[in-house]
Amino acid sequence: GAVVSQHPSWVICKSGTSVKIECRSLDFQATTMFWYRQFPKQSLMLMATSNEGSKATYEQGVEKDKFLINHASLTLSTLTVTSAHPEDSSFYICSARDQGAPYGYTFGSGTRLTVV
Amino acid sequence: AQSVAQPEDQVNVAEGNPLTVKCTYSVSGNPYLFWYVQYPNRGLQFLLKYITGDNLVKGSYGFEAEFNKSQTSFHLKKPSALVSDSALYFCAVRDMGANDYKLSFGAGTTVTVRA
Repeated sequence: GAVVSQHPSWVICKSGTSVKIECRSLDFQATTMFWYRQFPKQSLMLMATSNEGSKATYEQGVEKDKFLINHASLTLSTLTVTSAHPEDSSFYICSARDQGAPYGYTFGSGTRLTVV
Repeated sequence: AQSVAQPEDQVNVAEGNPLTVKCTYSVSGNPYLFWYVQYPNRGLQFLLKYITGDNLVKGSYGFEAEFNKSQTSFHLKKPSALVSDSALYFCAVRDMGANDYKLSFGAGTTVTVRA
C-alpha cells in the first residue's frame, strides 16, 4: 500500500535555530500534501496545504514566515520551522493525497519537535 | 463548511465486549468519511472510509462503521474488542463538493480496553 516516510521521527533543537522535517511519498506521486500540528491528546490542526510546484496555502493564524513549506517534487515536501522557540514544541504530521486513489490519504509517522 | 464531532473523550470497555466510538458530521454537500487510529507518538493509520454505496463499511482489524445520512453519523464499531485496540481514534470528513481536498478531524476519542 501507499507509504509516506517522515523524517526525523524526533528532534531536539536549541531556541533560535531552524529545523527541517521531510515528508516523502515512497510509492506514489503526491500532488498535494498537508502539514498538521498536534498538541498532546488533542486533534490534528491543519497548518498548510502544499501543492507540487506552487506556494503553500496556509491556514488562518499560521505564520508562513515561521513555518516554511516547500513541495519541489511529486514525492517530497518539507516543513522548516525557522527560529524555533519552546512554544513551537509539538508533534508535526504530514499527509499525502494519493493521486492513484482519489479518496485516499496516507499519513507520515510524525515528528516530535522539542525546542529547548 | 465541514466539521466533525466526537462526543466522547474516552471510551472504556472490557476485552471481548463490543466497542462503539461515536461520530457525527456536518457538510454542505455529500460527505467522504474516514476513521483513523493513532498510537502514541505515531502518525495516523487508516481504518476505513465511506465514499458511496453500502452504508455498512468494513475496514481493517475487524472494525466497521455505518453511515447514517438522516442522523449524519458514522459510528465506528467492533464486535469484540482487544486490549491492543487501546488507542486514540479520529473521525474525519471531507465535503465531496470541495476541491481543496482538506480533511476536518474530530477531537479524538481515547479507547481503553481492559483485560
